[in-house]
Amino acid sequence: DADVTQTPRNRITKTGKRIMLECSQTKGHDRMYWYRQDPGLGLQLIYYSFDVKDINKGEISDGYSVSRQAQAKFSLSLESAIPNQTALYFCATSDRGLDYGYTFGSGTRLTVV
Amino acid sequence: TQLLEQSPQFLSIQEGENLTVYCNSSSVFSSLQWYRQEPGEGPVLLVTVVTGGEVKKLKRLTFQFGDARKDSSLHITAAQPGDTGLYLCAGPPNDMRFGAGTRLTVKP
Repeated sequence: DADVTQTPRNRITKTGKRIMLECSQTKGHDRMYWYRQDPGLGLQLIYYSFDVKDINKGEISDGYSVSRQAQAKFSLSLESAIPNQTALYFCATSDRGLDYGYTFGSGTRLTVV
Repeated sequence: TQLLEQSPQFLSIQEGENLTVYCNSSSVFSSLQWYRQEPGEGPVLLVTVVTGGEVKKLKRLTFQFGDARKDSSLHITAAQPGDTGLYLCAGPPNDMRFGAGTRLTVKP
């Protein structure tokens, strides 16, 4: 099994629908992140969580919400999807040390029509 | 505003050529990381550089951290088609910022 698992891998949804993207990890890391990737813009931080009771907004949190159900689970919701939320979404984890990198999931490709 | 500037944005070369890509910032970082992302997958960590002036080698890849810890470079020697991918630099995880990446294509 992958260290960081994202579901679904692909999703097409209609404008106005609520959608949830799920992430689970077996790394045992406290820190989890949701990033969005658009061509030419790199990875933009949506939300991050340093432990189960800690949730923080990133640079592009408008239109998104998250839930940290357990240390290993961090889900991202789009309350009312819009076409410009079409993107590749990545969940990532990291350890607490500054020298440790992220472990990413394989991503969810979301299309809002 | 992208605080980590990567150049070039795109690079297409023939197998066997050497190349260098760059990651620059006006900020000082405690460390910088390099990732490679292949189509359909998430980025994978290649290396973390921590000390100003540090050079790390990973087979044909050489990573350097600038003396002032504001910039880094990745040099690939004798590139191979398997090196094709998006190369991303990032600050340390507590910084949570990534560059936009250099998309490298190595043609056989």
